[in-house]
Amino acid sequence: GESVGLHLPTLSVQEGDNSIINCAYSNSASDYFIWYKQESGKGPQFIIDIRSNMDKRQGQRVTVLLNKTVKHLSLQIAATQPGDSAVYFCAENFGNMLTFGGGTRLMVKP
Amino acid sequence: NAGVTQTPKFRILKIGQSMTLQCTQDMNHNYMYWYRQDPGMGLKLIYYSVGAGITDKGEVPNGYNVSRSTTEDFPLRLELAAPSQTSVYFCASSYSGKANEQFFGPGTRLTVL
Repeated sequence: GESVGLHLPTLSVQEGDNSIINCAYSNSASDYFIWYKQESGKGPQFIIDIRSNMDKRQGQRVTVLLNKTVKHLSLQIAATQPGDSAVYFCAENFGNMLTFGGGTRLMVKP
Repeated sequence: NAGVTQTPKFRILKIGQSMTLQCTQDMNHNYMYWYRQDPGMGLKLIYYSVGAGITDKGEVPNGYNVSRSTTEDFPLRLELAAPSQTSVYFCASSYSGKANEQFFGPGTRLTVL
């Protein structure tokens, strides 16, 4: 079946640098995509979403890019901070259901 | 508001035992969801409900049952626990059904031995 996946299981960055987390999806009918942050022992926390008719959306220190041609989604975090250390999941929404990718662990070095 | 609360936080079951994972939300949300998360993986939808008295299967419903007798509560039932059901279970709720508005509970870690 169709699924969402991630290229990099672990990403280590220096504090203050920018982070880019990537995700590949395969369901071209998904109507929007979401990035979640999950800290250890907690449930996922919504970060930002993007509709399928957009290619870029910006939030506070975060930007999501959507490339429908190659079915690729990325999350950019500017000036990464220690508090950004977590596992990040992308998810695609189709109908009433979300399909999650496998997650990327972001580690921020002081 | 307490948001979405789940009990218990941890549980160890023996194969074949049964248990109910509790989920309660105090935000008057219509939509509620149960997910499971295996180690290093994303969440998979087990069941969801669009309102009291209505439930639907998600991606991985086998081995589970749910009920939604009130708006606030959405318990998940395991009748015959199996090792494959060892996972962390998350309950979520939303007002409108939009995935970007789902609030997640803190999770229940279940181990089946």
